[in-house]
Amino acid sequence: ETGVTQTPRHLVMGMTNKKSLKCEQHLGHNAMYWYKQSAKKPLELMFVYSLEERVENNSVPSRFSPECPNSSHLFLHLHTLQPEDSALYLCASSPGTGEPQIYGYTFGSGTRLTVV
Amino acid sequence: RKEVEQDPGPFNVPEGATVAFNCTYSNSASQSFFWYRQDCRKEPKLLMSVYSSGNEDGRFTAQLNRASQYISLLIRDSKLSDSATYLCVVNTNTGNQFYFGTGTSLTVIP
Repeated sequence: ETGVTQTPRHLVMGMTNKKSLKCEQHLGHNAMYWYKQSAKKPLELMFVYSLEERVENNSVPSRFSPECPNSSHLFLHLHTLQPEDSALYLCASSPGTGEPQIYGYTFGSGTRLTVV
Repeated sequence: RKEVEQDPGPFNVPEGATVAFNCTYSNSASQSFFWYRQDCRKEPKLLMSVYSSGNEDGRFTAQLNRASQYISLLIRDSKLSDSATYLCVVNTNTGNQFYFGTGTSLTVIP
């Protein structure tokens, strides 16, 4: 496999459920990101990891909990979500946290989340 | 004021037409600029970076106007496959925060 892969592609969950989104990159990149894309809104940066260390948390509610066990894998653990959390969640990677400024990101295909 | 603003469109143009999109940014310290393309229900993909002197990649030309704080994307000889949403992305070069526009929707009509 190449690039950035995300699973699942689609997820429907109830407000009391706990689920996790998974992201894996096969590019040898050192930085990984979670973005949220809601309808009619720009992409919102949620979390940034550099070499498995969280370097940015963009005031994201605690019902979203990221985990980065190594530089190739990134998870987003979800619990007690609200219907307004329904969105496309995109994972991205870059060679390093300074590199997106030169090369941009490589995005995964996203997980379309619906909270009911 | 939004960090990045784009006309959402939609732009509906015939095949072969030339179309241009503008994107304005609010932070004069912005250093890195990109155009991404996002197809329906797919992830954004890097189309091209925007350099200070302007740059061209085939039918696509990107320009930067620092004085007026906008970037532009020109598409010549539009193809049906150019139909997508085009996202403007800006970074201040001081951190990890990239600011995305809401995108401009383009439909190329046969």
